[in-house]
Amino acid sequence: QSALTQPASVSGSPGQSITISCTGTSSDVGSYNRVSWYQQHPGKAPKLMIYEVSKRPSGVSNRFSGSKSGNTASLAISGLQAEDEADYYCCSYAGSGTVVFGGGTKLTVL
Amino acid sequence: EVQLVESGGGLVQPGGSLRLSCAASGLTFSSYWMSWVRQAPGKGLEWVANIKQDGSEKYYVDSVKGRFTISRDNAKNSVYLQMNSLRAEDTAVYYCASDGGPLFDNWGQGTLVTVSS
Repeated sequence: QSALTQPASVSGSPGQSITISCTGTSSDVGSYNRVSWYQQHPGKAPKLMIYEVSKRPSGVSNRFSGSKSGNTASLAISGLQAEDEADYYCCSYAGSGTVVFGGGTKLTVL
Repeated sequence: EVQLVESGGGLVQPGGSLRLSCAASGLTFSSYWMSWVRQAPGKGLEWVANIKQDGSEKYYVDSVKGRFTISRDNAKNSVYLQMNSLRAEDTAVYYCASDGGPLFDNWGQGTLVTVSS
């Protein structure tokens, strides 16, 4: 049950695009298309942004997209906006009913 | 509107116990797996435990196995986390969330558990 690996921080200017990676193993990310992504603003509960690798819940902007290749999942955000500044966490099913999160990535909009 | 409201957090001494509750409304509670997720101060999210719709399956992160017990009461639309033998490293905000396997689409506001002497 080791945490998934995410970069500690990423940054971009308004209007730019960024990508956040999430690296797991063949026991979690690599084995299941059950990767989700969460946005968390300071002092707030997390918010689901992407589920099942690339699906967007109703109400989430189409500027957010997800993908996966092998043991690595990615979250892309296009047309960066100031309100996108937040912490982002990936999450994967890890087998035997268990779940693992990534360590989190702090997105700064310059 | 879905609401998940946690309660039961507080200050407890190492080795002590605490029971968290999460009351759900606005969703068909008995149709959802439910999870507890925690976040230590200034740290990332950590999944703690989940429970199947009928309570027949329960899973835990290794660090809490044998100390924490998740349970639910579908008649009361509630899920619980009994925490025993608490350690300093259990200090965190504990969130309950509806669990779609895993996609946590509804979250509570969290309840703070502080383990300290």
